[in-house]
Amino acid sequence: DTGVSQDPRHKITKRGQNVTFRCDPISEHNRLYWYRQTLGQGPEFLTYFQNEAQLEKSRLLSDRFSAERPKGSFSTLEIQRTEQGDSAMYLCASSLGQGVTEAFFGQGTRLTVV
Amino acid sequence: QQQVKQSPQSLIVQKGGISIINCAYENTAFDYFPWYQQFPGKGPALLIAIRPDVSEKKEGRFTISFNKSAKQFSLHIMDSQPGDSATYFCAADPNTGFQKLVFGTGTRLLVSP
Repeated sequence: DTGVSQDPRHKITKRGQNVTFRCDPISEHNRLYWYRQTLGQGPEFLTYFQNEAQLEKSRLLSDRFSAERPKGSFSTLEIQRTEQGDSAMYLCASSLGQGVTEAFFGQGTRLTVV
Repeated sequence: QQQVKQSPQSLIVQKGGISIINCAYENTAFDYFPWYQQFPGKGPALLIAIRPDVSEKKEGRFTISFNKSAKQFSLHIMDSQPGDSATYFCAADPNTGFQKLVFGTGTRLLVSP
């Protein structure tokens, strides 16, 4: 499968715990995005990487959230001290560089904070 | 101003019928308008997209109609099939040079056999 891969697919955690999600983009894509989707809503932009540089962060990304993309390949999204409001589907997408090109989404990581 | 308003919230269409989903926006800086299809448990997948320099784009059974003056765009699914049953999202890109998409709230389409 050469699509965007996310791991894990599902994560249940207790409130206050830290969680980390991984995204492996399509190999030749130098742009990577994280979105969050809550039940019954459309995805909301969280952050964007061009290669290893994080170039844009939404105000939705509080201080408890951090994303990295070392070496411009896979990316991780960490949520510290999880809250019940963090329960959502976290989607990763990737695209080729230069201009607006199609973003390919992964299947997402479903986070449930209990 | 960054919102994209989508309607209806849900839609039931008979097999072979036409499904129509509408979206409206306020931000005139939006310059790329994709539609995504999402099945349960899956990520969104791009169906078709349009830029504001054209009023219509057709790909197979899917057509986007775009009205720049009214700041509205719509998705038409011709000859709707049960396999089209999914949630559809319109989106818009505010001319950032990358995919900082603003999504609508989605339309759950059910095509009855």
